[in-house]
Amino acid sequence: GAVVSQHPSWVICKSGTSVKIECRSLDFQATTMFWYRQFPKQSLMLMATSNEGSKATYEQGVEKDKFLINHASLTLSTLTVTSAHPEDSSFYICSASHGDFYGYTFGSGTRLTVV
Amino acid sequence: KQEVTQIPAALSVPEGENLVLNCSFTDSAIYNLQWFRQDPGKGLTSLLLIQSSQREQTSGRLNASLDKSSGRSTLYIAASQPGDSATYLCAVTDNTDKLIFGTGTRLQVFP
Repeated sequence: GAVVSQHPSWVICKSGTSVKIECRSLDFQATTMFWYRQFPKQSLMLMATSNEGSKATYEQGVEKDKFLINHASLTLSTLTVTSAHPEDSSFYICSASHGDFYGYTFGSGTRLTVV
Repeated sequence: KQEVTQIPAALSVPEGENLVLNCSFTDSAIYNLQWFRQDPGKGLTSLLLIQSSQREQTSGRLNASLDKSSGRSTLYIAASQPGDSATYLCAVTDNTDKLIFGTGTRLQVFP
């Protein structure tokens, strides 16, 4: 079956530093990838939609200069949290679309803790 | 703006019970609806996907129905087991290929 690999699974960083999270589709090409943020005991909130070779589309309220998204190939999208602050601590999950509005595969998530 | 709501928010039952989880959405113009399972601190596992033209899908002990016109979906879990304990999320897809998630139902099945 389709697999999406997300790394790292957890990361602790100091306030003010940047953190990069990778999302790879291992056995299919994903023209569209999505990045979500999830707070404890809450649902997933879409942050941005990433299309290969073009700029990401951010949801309202998401700072594009803070959450840099790059989708350089059909199998890799990255999310960089720049100048991280404690309030950025959260669970970040990516997903890849199979196309034709049929199915999505999710990564295993990244727990970010900013201290 | 599409809003997806799930009830109940939490559910605790003894094993063996048949369960019904509900999902409602405000805009019936969806492409599909998907049910996911999320274990604590983990990503999402897709359980069932129902295309907008379909009424239901089944996989093992799981059955999901879709009533698009009334904006409702139901996930039925038969003969629940402790291993079914997780958070269940429904999500709808709009014409932009985005998934819009519901609020989730936290299920605990105890022995």
